[in-house]
Amino acid sequence: AQSVSQHNHHVILSEAASLELGCNYSYGGTVNLFWYVQYPGQHLQLLLKYFSGDPLVKGIKGFEAEFIKSKFSFNLRKPSVQWSDTAEYFCAVNAHNYGQNFVFGPGTRLSVLP
Amino acid sequence: KAGVTQTPRYLIKTRGQQVTLSCSPISGHRSVSWYQQTPGQGLQFLFEYFSETQRNKGNFPGRFSGRQFSNSRSEMNVSTLELGDSALYLCASSLSQGPYEQYFGPGTRLTVT
Repeated sequence: AQSVSQHNHHVILSEAASLELGCNYSYGGTVNLFWYVQYPGQHLQLLLKYFSGDPLVKGIKGFEAEFIKSKFSFNLRKPSVQWSDTAEYFCAVNAHNYGQNFVFGPGTRLSVLP
Repeated sequence: KAGVTQTPRYLIKTRGQQVTLSCSPISGHRSVSWYQQTPGQGLQFLFEYFSETQRNKGNFPGRFSGRQFSNSRSEMNVSTLELGDSALYLCASSLSQGPYEQYFGPGTRLTVT
């Protein structure tokens, strides 16, 4: 069975600090990878996705993620966070032969201090 | 283009009752998935429907069921509610079965007392 782990439960940063959120998955086959964000009181929104090709993908709001197949990782990065990035971030994996069954990580809560 | 809509947004039920939640996908999307979100278990996949057929099912008891209509709208039903069913139920739609990203609705907050 697939599983997704996220390295940090809660991350606290000051504005302008750099961000890296870890995500690892366990599945040996071909996967699609996603990062979703849930701002306070809002629904889940897609930040970025990886299906194939360039392992460095860019998403909205200055976020990017790198797929490292050998490490089963898909870490999320942003060079300079803003207070408005305060939210919960979820990594998700979809195995090619599992239809639209997304397996989500437990989430990382990011608090950005002004 | 309108997003995924879910009704009702909030619901309070009593143990033993049943409940039906509704989801309207983004226009043109044919795949609808349901997830349960709780603080303890996070986001867990319930099931996915595509062209009125259940294509995938998560590890939930048979009290949780769903269906999809010809217009891609979907309903989820939970019978014999338990306190542990209190959760945010999320619906997500996508163009097809994959690989496509899912777009999530705001959820239905179910409280079982």
